Amino acid sequence: DTEVTQTPKHLVMGMTNKKSLKCEQHMGHRAMYWYKQKAKKPPELMFVYSYEKLSINESVPSRFSPECPNSSLLNLHLHALQPEDSALYLCASSQDPANTEAFFGQGTRLTVV
Amino acid sequence: AQSVTQLGSHVSVSEGALVLLRCNYSSSVPPYLFWYVQYPNQGLQLLLKYTSAATLVKGINGFEAEFKKSETSFHLTKPSAHMSDAAEYFCAVSDRGSSNTGKLIFGQGTTLQVKP
Repeated sequence: DTEVTQTPKHLVMGMTNKKSLKCEQHMGHRAMYWYKQKAKKPPELMFVYSYEKLSINESVPSRFSPECPNSSLLNLHLHALQPEDSALYLCASSQDPANTEAFFGQGTRLTVV
Repeated sequence: AQSVTQLGSHVSVSEGALVLLRCNYSSSVPPYLFWYVQYPNQGLQLLLKYTSAATLVKGINGFEAEFKKSETSFHLTKPSAHMSDAAEYFCAVSDRGSSNTGKLIFGQGTTLQVKP
């Protein structure tokens, strides 16, 4: 199994809503990542979890809150988002942070209205 | 700090023609380099990677890339383009400095158009 599974595939939320994006991998990878990708742009790193601990927060606003409940799961909790947060959110995993062959999920297309 | 520059935001080739997508990198340490492909509304799929072994790297779907340290380049090639190759291509370098964060630093991307 070399898949990273993200749910939901599409999400529309209002600016006062609370929602969560979910990511799951069963490859035994110990590093997991959240990237944000705006249209026609490359992915930009948001967070890195290494061995279930948050190791990098790329100065992401607090309305985005990551969580790593166990080594297979990664969540991104969303609250009070702005329309400019609309983007494709990509989850990725790698064997460990030193091995950056990252496997990406299909992404969640988020629209904030 | 590591960085990647992709020359040409848009490349158009005819079906059956050579594909050449250019990538130059900057890295203070021996780099790990990657090419990813992204189809519309999809995630990123790894095409190939360079991690300091052979300088000519073969990947999936007939793609290959050559690491040239003297030119700080990692260009992606395919001898004969297929219509299904039309997609966005990203070159990336890993953040392998002292922090070894696992972060990928992407180029701006190149859109490959394949004409029949």
